[in-house]
Amino acid sequence: NAGVTQTPKFQVLKTGQSMTLQCAQDMNHNSMYWYRQDPGMGLRLIYYSASEGTTDKGEVPNGYNVSRLNKREFSLRLESAAPSQTSVYFCASSERTEETQYFGPGTRLLVL
Amino acid sequence: DAKTTQPTSMDCAEGRAANLPCNHSTISGNEYVYWYRQIHSQGPQYIIHGLKNNETNEMASLIITEDRKSSTLILPHATLRDTAVYYCIVRGLSGGYQKVTFGTGTKLQVIP
Repeated sequence: NAGVTQTPKFQVLKTGQSMTLQCAQDMNHNSMYWYRQDPGMGLRLIYYSASEGTTDKGEVPNGYNVSRLNKREFSLRLESAAPSQTSVYFCASSERTEETQYFGPGTRLLVL
Repeated sequence: DAKTTQPTSMDCAEGRAANLPCNHSTISGNEYVYWYRQIHSQGPQYIIHGLKNNETNEMASLIITEDRKSSTLILPHATLRDTAVYYCIVRGLSGGYQKVTFGTGTKLQVIP
């Protein structure tokens, strides 16, 4: 099992560009999450999907959109990237929302 | 969610037991104690969790005090690869999504 995988590992964008971060899990989990991690801020939840077909906002959803493509995949889209979105993005999944979350390796994003 | 308090940093000699404390004095009856670690900006890695009984798995042991106001994560034979930031988290496990709040954690340095 690969667990949770994320692509790309690194990305540099210019302000205003758009991109989609991909996440996939092979654990047959129902719930998936997107977090961002900034120095001194811990992990903050952007969006989550409790089950296929549902998505909900987390703490910091502004500037992002998500798509739960199927049970395995949950993507995060930046429509118009801003320097404030420079961060490390982590995807996670769990059997259900109340169960243990397992994290991917992260995507490092730099917006210039 | 209950707040947790952890020391900022700790050192441990390689091969010795690493004991990482966590205070969670406002924990409520249905909240679990979770431990994750993050090695050099990789994705957080689940270690162990418990409610009130002590727990052990292949990675670590979790000792929770009888009043549940504090706990200790024990790595029985620390290796250099255990150098990481360790996060103690308290979260409920009922009623759907429960926020996972990562604080600043304890930076454990395992010394040769």
